Amino acid sequence: DAKTTQPNSMESNEEEPVHLPCNHSTISGTDYIHWYRQLPSQGPEYVIHGLTSNVNNRMASLAIAEDRKSSTLILHRATLRDAAVYYCIPISNFGNEKLTFGTGTRLTIIP
Amino acid sequence: GAGVSQSPSNKVTEKGKDVELRCDPISGHTALYWYRQSLGQGLEFLIYFQGNSAPDKSGLPSDRFSAERTGGSVSTLTIQRTQQEDSAVYLCASSLFRRTGSEETQYFGPGTRLLVL
Repeated sequence: DAKTTQPNSMESNEEEPVHLPCNHSTISGTDYIHWYRQLPSQGPEYVIHGLTSNVNNRMASLAIAEDRKSSTLILHRATLRDAAVYYCIPISNFGNEKLTFGTGTRLTIIP
Repeated sequence: GAGVSQSPSNKVTEKGKDVELRCDPISGHTALYWYRQSLGQGLEFLIYFQGNSAPDKSGLPSDRFSAERTGGSVSTLTIQRTQQEDSAVYLCASSLFRRTGSEETQYFGPGTRLLVL
């Protein structure tokens, strides 16, 4: 399994953009990069995923480095509701797979 | 539509007692996972069901843990002779079975918080 490295914690002011980095230098060429987040006292929820190209959805954007050894989750305008632990997870292209969550990045939003 | 539901939301039990935790996956999802999360820790995989295939039990920590999935839908995780170290949040997730990681999204329930005294 590809190993990931994320900062333990980050802070951001409300309504400011947030860039959450993830290093996955051992990622396989066919692994997708998924991001999940876990709000306090809730189960994890899917945020976004991508393979090579940058991706956008209603929640966030995902910027993937050209060598795929790192990626950055971008929250364009952080709200208090975005305070959560964010996890980046490489997932094989070859079918269902149990998710392996590391300790992630705890994001604190300052009002 | 309805998401993944779990019951009970909280369970307090005495050491040595058996507990049953229930998961109702999203209708039509053929894959079902159980994880547990201890305080301040990441998710620990427990067991995975996919359709009628034999479950992947590789994450079960001991033979006190077992799970079944009846009719390809509802699942029950049973912990026998509970120990204090079993205290954790037990999370269930379901997903559509897809053969590519590009389509794999797991939907999680709210979890059952188990406290063993």
